[in-house]
Amino acid sequence: DAGVIQSPRHEVTEMGQEVTLRCKPISGHNSLFWYRQTMMRGLELLIYFNNNVPIDDSGMPEDRFSAKMPNASFSTLKIQPSEPRDSAVYFCASSLDAGHSGYTFGSGTRLTVV
Amino acid sequence: EDQVTQSPEALRLQEGESSSLNCSYTVSGLRGLFWYRQDPGKGPEFLFTLYSAGEEKEKERLKATLTKKESFLHITAPKPEDSATYLCAVLDDYKLSFGAGTTVTVRA
Repeated sequence: DAGVIQSPRHEVTEMGQEVTLRCKPISGHNSLFWYRQTMMRGLELLIYFNNNVPIDDSGMPEDRFSAKMPNASFSTLKIQPSEPRDSAVYFCASSLDAGHSGYTFGSGTRLTVV
Repeated sequence: EDQVTQSPEALRLQEGESSSLNCSYTVSGLRGLFWYRQDPGKGPEFLFTLYSAGEEKEKERLKATLTKKESFLHITAPKPEDSATYLCAVLDDYKLSFGAGTTVTVRA
């Protein structure tokens, strides 16, 4: 299995632009998670999907952030408009059983907003 | 709210110098304690899951133990390739809450 696949690996954008991050989970995994990692706050859960349905989006910072999972093999995280404080590494992770056996993480997208 | 505290923040070891990393936690209903390894520019990589106090898991030079309030990751005779950030996380229902990590540097 190729693991969790994220794209792009790096994204540099100007403040105010729309940014879309993409994730392909491991086939057969029914849970998908988006995390953000910064030096100041570490790894924070943004949103959790189970069977393509958003279950917990309490970690989404504000209305500028949105996430979708149109099918079992694809998810997006969108930021519109982007701000410099959104600069971070964004990880997607998937799991077979709502995380009980752990998550498998992707390699992340490093976002820089200038 | 779940809290995970890792210590020390950084650890510099000579090759072969064994040491331990600490993870203390408070959680309402622990469903598992997880250890991950993260290399620069990569996502966290799963190492161990511990479910109950007294449980131990081993993998090569790493051994993880669990009590009701904390977990230890013991590194025995480390090698330079063990250099990484080690993350501890607790599972409460479906959510993994992570500590800030311990960055281990092993010098040859």
